[in-house]
Formats: sequence, structure tokens, C-alpha cells
Amino acid sequence: NAGVTQTPKFQVLKTGQSMTLQCAQDMNHNSMYWYRQDPGMGLRLIYYSASEGTTDKGEVPNGYNVSRLNKREFSLRLESAAPSQTSVYFCASSALRYISGNTIYFGEGSWLTVV
Amino acid sequence: ELKVEQNPLFLSMQEGKNYTIYCNYSTTSDRLYWYRQDPGKSLESLFVLLSNGAVKQEGRLMASLDTKARLSTLHITAAVHDLSATYFCAVDHGSGNTGKLIFGQGTTLQVKP
Repeated sequence: NAGVTQTPKFQVLKTGQSMTLQCAQDMNHNSMYWYRQDPGMGLRLIYYSASEGTTDKGEVPNGYNVSRLNKREFSLRLESAAPSQTSVYFCASSALRYISGNTIYFGEGSWLTVV
Repeated sequence: ELKVEQNPLFLSMQEGKNYTIYCNYSTTSDRLYWYRQDPGKSLESLFVLLSNGAVKQEGRLMASLDTKARLSTLHITAAVHDLSATYFCAVDHGSGNTGKLIFGQGTTLQVKP
């Protein structure tokens, strides 16, 4: 089972460059998320998508855009990368079953460095 | 604004000892999560706690939730080296079940032989 797959795993960008982080899940989940993790901190929500065709901002959306391409895929785009966006990015997905609680599954992470 | 605070942030303990990690959060929430993260790895789900008084146990780890006190605890019993990791609690920020999580800072646990 692949679960949540992110690409690329590592990327170095120059300030001002753009790039897209790709995420795909094979669990037929409706909800998908993008988080970032800075050293010594917990994860912070960038954007989320409750279902195909919908997206909304999280805690730290500035400098990012997202696209929910279909039910499986949710991409994160940095239009003009800044050193402050150096971080580890995690994609996640969930079925959001209310009664039984939902497990949120995380991808392996994408290490991004902006120089 | 919802804030989630864990303590301690770092915990060094001997194998065989017991200890508790505390997670306080500032506003009401429907559910609380505990995750484990090994260095350079992704997050592994440990527990989802849904209601006041909920208690869940898996091996040497037991998590509980007191929604009135806005407090969750992760209790480690007879620690072993394999439990060395960083543990995060997280609270659902949306109204109801959204999966929009606010994370604590994490507690790094080091278990010494």
C-alpha cells in the first residue's frame, strides 16, 4: 500500500524560483492537507481541501497556492520562493469518519531548501 | 486563537521508568491526536481521543483526555529504548471533525539503556 506519496523528497531552490510539490493518495480519502514543519516545532497547516474541487487556507497560507486536481491529487505551489519557506513539507489525507474518529495519514515529507 | 502546549519539551529517562507527557490546549475541541515522529521520518498516528474521559492504550503507551480541563496526557510505562522519538499532540481546529490540526511543539523523548 502506497498511502500518501509526495514528490520530490528533496529540493534546493534559489530565491525567486517557483516549484510545485506533488501529493497523491490511494486510499480514496476526501480530505487532503499540506503542512510545514520547521526545526524544533510542530506542524502548521498551510492549506487543506475538504473534498475534490474545494480548497481553503490554513494557519500559514501566504506565499503558497494549491490545486486539488482530482480526488487523489493535491499539489502545493511556491510561486516565488523565499528563504523563510525553507522547511519540511508534509502532505496528509483523511476519510474523516466522525463516529469512529479519523486517522490522518501523512506522507514521507519533502525537504525544501531556499537559498 | 487555539494554542496547544506540551510539556516537557525534552525528556531523558532511564529504561524501566514511568513518565507522563502533558498536552494543554486553549479552546474546546472535539478530538485530540497523538503522533510519534522518528528523526527524519513522517508522523505515525498513535491515538485519536474523541470524548471526555477517553482512555486508549497501546503497549507501553496510554493516552487520556479531560476536555473540561483541556488536558491530555501520554503516559509511558516501563520505558524501553525503542520508544525514543518525538511525540506530538494535536487538536482539531475546525468546528467538528475537519482534520485541520493545531500541533503542540513536540516532546523529544530519549530513553537511555
